[in-house]
Amino acid sequence: AQSVTQLGSHVSVSEGALVLLRCNYSSSVPPYLFWYVQYPNQGLQLLLKYTSAATLVKGINGFEAEFKKSETSFHLTKPSAHMSDAAEYFCAVSRFGNEKLTFGTGTRLTIIP
Amino acid sequence: EAGVVQSPRYKIIEKKQPVAFWCNPISGHNTLYWYRQNLGQGPELLIRYENEEAVDDSQLPKDRFSAERLKGVDSTLKIQPAELGDSAVYLCASSPGAGNRTEAFFGQGTRLTVV
Repeated sequence: AQSVTQLGSHVSVSEGALVLLRCNYSSSVPPYLFWYVQYPNQGLQLLLKYTSAATLVKGINGFEAEFKKSETSFHLTKPSAHMSDAAEYFCAVSRFGNEKLTFGTGTRLTIIP
Repeated sequence: EAGVVQSPRYKIIEKKQPVAFWCNPISGHNTLYWYRQNLGQGPELLIRYENEEAVDDSQLPKDRFSAERLKGVDSTLKIQPAELGDSAVYLCASSPGAGNRTEAFFGQGTRLTVV
């Protein structure tokens, strides 16, 4: 079985500060890992994905994540937060690209002006 | 390119009433998913289709939920009868299909409120 743990249900950072959202996974096979963002009353939009190629993955809106097998982690970072980054962020894992996604419980990111 | 289209966006019904949600996936996408997202939680898979075949429905409460994907294109998810605990956002997603290293694309969801 696969699972994802997101540490911190709420994270607040100042505008311009580093954003770090934590995600640890559990998988019996090499995982596919994803970060999705959800704005209020919207569906989920893919930020980035890891599919066993480069361990440092760059996504949209300046976000990136690093796959660390030894730590079973896939933390999401952005060097400088913008007000528009305020949203809910979900880490997810799957066995294959089109198999079901198992999501974490989400982290709500608040940006302080 | 049009994304995943869901309707309605919002639905309020009384308990014990039936309700149906509709999803039109991205053109050419063989895999279709229905997820349920409870308040403050991540989405959870209800059912996954490969073309018209339901290949994973282990999490679908079959006593009251049903789904179909006739002709392997659009899909309908039905609840009958609805219970208070069914209040949630129902998300549809699609992806190109098996063998593709790609992600699922999500619709905007249907927010169901059962009163």
